[in-house]
Amino acid sequence: QLQLQESGPGLVKPSETLSLTCTVSGGSTNSRNYYWGWIRQPPGKGLEWLANIYYSGATYYNPSLKSRLTVSMDTSKNQFSLKLSSVAAADTALYFCARITASVASGIDYWGQGALVTVSS
Amino acid sequence: DIQMTQSPSSLSASVGDRVTITCRASQGIRNDLAWYQQKPGKAPKRLIYAASSLQSGVPSRFSGSGSGAEFSLTISSLQPEDFATYYCLQYSTTPLTFGGGTKVEIK
Repeated sequence: QLQLQESGPGLVKPSETLSLTCTVSGGSTNSRNYYWGWIRQPPGKGLEWLANIYYSGATYYNPSLKSRLTVSMDTSKNQFSLKLSSVAAADTALYFCARITASVASGIDYWGQGALVTVSS
Repeated sequence: DIQMTQSPSSLSASVGDRVTITCRASQGIRNDLAWYQQKPGKAPKRLIYAASSLQSGVPSRFSGSGSGAEFSLTISSLQPEDFATYYCLQYSTTPLTFGGGTKVEIK
């Protein structure tokens, strides 16, 4: 059974960089059948897709955040990562990592449990 | 970007009721739409993909329909465990976009 687990600091200061890593178990990130992505959810609000990364290293970003986002992948560790720079209080959210189907598109099929990141001084 | 307009934003219903939630895309997305159920503090759970395909393990009281730009999720007989928030997701093109959510509450 595929599992995804987010890890990283739960508290980040304003103007600093938020960094999260997603560790995948029960499957391989080195697959042409899937993208690996990040989604966030501010407290009490809806879901916002942030970015995807493909095993080849190709990246896809939400245009609204593209200037501040970087995603990367380490297939040898079966991990992928998110960096969001210059954070503000509005970036406080539950951050999910996820698997997105590619070869036969069907959306997001697996999610991590989520990591709450609070931006505060 | 493709905008997903979901309605209603909330509804109150009783156990046994039939409930329908709709999502409208700002442009055609073929059938590249999924529905998710989310309970507080938890990750969303996929119910439907490709607009009408039922996710394995999901009860058959859930169904999806539509194509192009108009989609719906129907719960044929609401059960206590179905009280949650539901989201649609278009995955036709990036940026992937979600509907605003529908909170289903107990009447």
